[in-house]
This record gives sequence, C-alpha cells and structure tokens, in this order.
Amino acid sequence: KNQVEQSPQSLIILEGKNCTLQCNYTVSPFSNLRWYKQDTGRGPVSLTIMTFSENTKSNGRYTATLDADTKQSSLHITASQLSDSASYICVVSAYAGKSTFGDGTTLTVKP
Amino acid sequence: DVKVTQSSRYLVKRTGEKVFLECVQDMDHENMFWYRQDPGLGLRLIYFSYDVKMKEKGDIPEGYSVSREKKERFSLILESASTNQTSMYLCASSFVRGGRATDTQYFGPGTRLTVL
Repeated sequence: KNQVEQSPQSLIILEGKNCTLQCNYTVSPFSNLRWYKQDTGRGPVSLTIMTFSENTKSNGRYTATLDADTKQSSLHITASQLSDSASYICVVSAYAGKSTFGDGTTLTVKP
Repeated sequence: DVKVTQSSRYLVKRTGEKVFLECVQDMDHENMFWYRQDPGLGLRLIYFSYDVKMKEKGDIPEGYSVSREKKERFSLILESASTNQTSMYLCASSFVRGGRATDTQYFGPGTRLTVL
C-alpha cells in the first residue's frame, strides 16, 4: 500500500530560525514528489516538485531534497518568517497512478 | 496564473438536503479532483475526472456523486447531506503531460461545509 508519512506532526520555532520537515514514502513506481504549503482556511499551494533524477529544488527560502534510494524527502526553511506559519504537505505520485498525500506538518513561527 | 475557484467559501446545510459544490478552472486542464480534508486525516480523494463526462471514484466516494459537463467545471453533489460530511472540500485541477496524470495540482480556496 502506498503511504506517505510526515514528521514532526507539529513544530514551533522562533522567527528567523531555520527548520527542516521530513517526508518518508513507500509509493511505487515513483513519479514525482511535491511539497505544498497550506495557510489556514485556504487551499494548498505548490512549493516544489521533484522527479526521480532531481535531488534538490529551491523556491526562495524553501529548499526541498529528495533521496530516491532511501525514499525520503525534506523541506528546509531558512530564516523563517511569521508568514511561514502554515501546514506543509508532502505528496508523492506513482506513474499513471493517483497521488498519495501525507497528513502534513503544522509549523508555527513565533515572534 | 492558474485560477481555480469554488462557488462558496462557507456553507451551512441541514441533514437530508441536496448540496452542490461547484468548481471552475480557467487553464484548460484536463484533470479535475474533489478532496475532503479533515483534521488528522489529511486530504482524501473523493472523485476525479480526466475528461468531460468522464469520472473515476477516489478513495471515499460513498455518499457523493460528480458531474463534468464542461471541461472547466466540475461539480460535487451530496445527494442527501449527513453530519459526517461536515468537512473542508477542496477542488483541484492539473494538466496531463505525456499521458502522465500526475502533474502539479492547483487547488481552489476550499469550501467549509457544515451539515446540521
């Protein structure tokens, strides 16, 4: 069964600090992995998308990494801002198959 | 910019009512999806459509039906709303590239439905 597990479930950090969110998956055959940011009461917005051959992708202060051998991905947020407070969702897709969503990590950035 | 709009942000209905949730996308995407999102359960796929008048069941289709009469519009229908269908409903759309229906999905703002 395809599964995506994210950790931690929630995280609180101080403004300006860095943090790393984790995503482990068992989806096969792997097609791509996406990270989404979802603000409270809003729909998810895509941050990055990585295919099998890509092991890092950046979007401003967000950097995603992918290790296809260990089936792990991480999302690193640099110099956090209050506006980074949101839920971050990892989504893994199989070829010609559906996407499997993680439960998300809720990040709270405090001043 | 891709735009996915949903007909209502908040909706309150009574048990047994028929409920229509509308979703419109303006980027000529082939695929459209309906999800529900509940605390601790993440996003769960209800139905998706890969072409006009085509639909496939997702992981939790029971109690729902869908309609796609035009490419840009995908409707979710609750034939007889129940309290356990109180949830956030999210619509999404995506391209099909090279036959792979797994491209980035663009989400609407969501409809928070409360069934009393």
